[in-house]
Amino acid sequence: NAGVTQTPKFQVLKTGQSMTLQCAQDMNHNSMYWYRQDPGMGLRLIYYSASEGTTDKGEVPNGYNVSRLNKREFSLRLESAAPSQTSVYFCASNVQGGSYGYTFGSGTRLTVV
Amino acid sequence: AQRVTQPEKLLSVFKGAPVELKCNYSYSGSPELFWYVQYSRQRLQLLLRHISRESIKGFTADLNKGETSFHLKKPFAQEEDSAMYYCASMEYGNKLVFGAGTILRVKS
Repeated sequence: NAGVTQTPKFQVLKTGQSMTLQCAQDMNHNSMYWYRQDPGMGLRLIYYSASEGTTDKGEVPNGYNVSRLNKREFSLRLESAAPSQTSVYFCASNVQGGSYGYTFGSGTRLTVV
Repeated sequence: AQRVTQPEKLLSVFKGAPVELKCNYSYSGSPELFWYVQYSRQRLQLLLRHISRESIKGFTADLNKGETSFHLKKPFAQEEDSAMYYCASMEYGNKLVFGAGTILRVKS
């Protein structure tokens, strides 16, 4: 049981390049989330998907897009990377309506130069 | 929107000393609160849920609605407790709102 799997683990991009961060969960969870983690700011929600077929903006959605490909997969795309998007990105999932908190992936460390 | 405040960026204690990591929340109703721990460059792991009133790795946290607090406590710190700790509150729509985090450093 892998839980939440993120790829890649590390990435360096040049300003203006695009890339997609992949996330997959095998726990049959309904809801999935993308957060970015920055020093002194905690984790901030970028986008989330309450269920398959739905996506919504979080606190910091600008510069990102998402796709809930199916129940298992939720990808995050940077169309034109900027240095301000240098961060650690975490994907998470949970059972919709549950009080069990989230299960997190291991993160993607992204540097934009 | 809810806010979660962790006033200390860094808490440094000696091994064997008591630990209290502070967390205050802004939600006026009945909150669902959590503590997560992140060991060096690893994924976040759920440490505690207030609803379960459990003790994990010697840590406990009590919800104080009057003070809107959910402080994390441990009577005797161990070196392996050194990590980043995040307090989080579940917002309407099943979204977790995180505090800025507190680094706990346990010195030998």
